Amino acid sequence: SQQGEEDPQALSIQEGENATMNCSYKTSINNLQWYRQNSGRGLVHLILIRSNEREKHSGRLRVTLDTSKKSSSLLITASRAADTASYFCATALSGNTGKLIFGQGTTLQVKP
Amino acid sequence: DGGITQSPKYLFRKEGQNVTLSCEQNLNHDAMYWYRQDPGQGLRLIYYSQIVNDFQKGDIAEGYSVSREKKESFPLTVTSAQKNPTAFYLCASSLHSPGQVYEQYFGPGTRLTVT
Repeated sequence: SQQGEEDPQALSIQEGENATMNCSYKTSINNLQWYRQNSGRGLVHLILIRSNEREKHSGRLRVTLDTSKKSSSLLITASRAADTASYFCATALSGNTGKLIFGQGTTLQVKP
Repeated sequence: DGGITQSPKYLFRKEGQNVTLSCEQNLNHDAMYWYRQDPGQGLRLIYYSQIVNDFQKGDIAEGYSVSREKKESFPLTVTSAQKNPTAFYLCASSLHSPGQVYEQYFGPGTRLTVT
């Protein structure tokens, strides 16, 4: 079964709107990371949030982590057409060996 | 430029042939990883290595093999034993220290088609 599950699977919004993606996981984590993938390309790291952190910002990105609910959300504010991509959460399990477990991703389309 | 490279970008093979995918990094990272991605899916870990001359199986290692003879290089061989090899293969690297999990840097990927 998937450690990280993302919701929604697909999201379509207009430029300028905010986009929120959610990630739920099952077991204790060391940290949780968000990545972006443009079609047919490799993944690009966006943000890493540690298990003792609740919120982190990077430019137009805001990530929250609720370890009691085992969930995280990624908010992209004032979206642009260039934000169109797939977004993946990846969990690093507590006491693990450095491995990440990826969710299935949310496909975001931002219409100009 | 520092980064991680994969070659080739596209690879076509006949069924029954082994094929080796290249992955090189000049980021001085100790850890390297191979993932497989199928259409509309997330990434699944094939093999990973945290130090030269050592590697571990990931979740879907059957039908694949790797070597780590140099810190910079982590080639993946897709053998004829892999039942469904057509996929997008991604290589990544990261720092490594016990108890820590770092961000991973990804290559551009190799799309393998086996017919």
